[in-house]
Amino acid sequence: EAGVAQSPRYKIIEKRQSVAFWCNPISGHATLYWYQQILGQGPKLLIQFQNNGVVDDSQLPKDRFSAERLKGVDSTLKIQPAKLEDSAVYLCASSLVRTGTEPQYFGPGTRLTVL
Amino acid sequence: DAKTTQPTSMDCAEGRAANLPCNHSTISGNEYVYWYRQIHSQGPQYIIHGLKNNETNEMASLIITEDRKSSTLILPHATLRDTAVYYCIVKGMGDYKLSFGAGTTVTVRA
Repeated sequence: EAGVAQSPRYKIIEKRQSVAFWCNPISGHATLYWYQQILGQGPKLLIQFQNNGVVDDSQLPKDRFSAERLKGVDSTLKIQPAKLEDSAVYLCASSLVRTGTEPQYFGPGTRLTVL
Repeated sequence: DAKTTQPTSMDCAEGRAANLPCNHSTISGNEYVYWYRQIHSQGPQYIIHGLKNNETNEMASLIITEDRKSSTLILPHATLRDTAVYYCIVKGMGDYKLSFGAGTTVTVRA
């Protein structure tokens, strides 16, 4: 079974530039999550989708971050404009929706460096 | 709002069992215990989860105390590839967010 795919794996940009990350979840997983992991810390949830609807985006800095999940499969996370403090690994995860106890499966992440 | 307490780090010998403790004294009746690990430069990897009964899969065993206030993840025969940060997370059924703490940095030594 193919895992969660993310691209690119690495990205270096200058502050105030824009960047986009792509995620393809495990086939059949209705729920998709984006997490931000700053160096030395655990991942922090940014946004959760169920199918193509947003369930929770309370931790998403909406003045600069946006995310979409068209057709309920792939998702993109965008930052515009980027700040130095956005340097982090951006992780995508997906899960089934059955009993509410299903584990989340993570992709390899995209490491963003903002100069 | 950390719900779990784990040691910062631990070492174990290759080939021996690694026992990783986690305290979750405020766990409520419908909350499960999940374990993930994160190997350097990779995304977190799901290991196992349980409610109150002990659980075992191909990766590890999870032992939850009868009062559910603590648990232990057991890696039966640690290898160098098990070196990682291990996260113990408490999550309610139907809750979606995984709240990661600092985890335990486990180093397996030859």
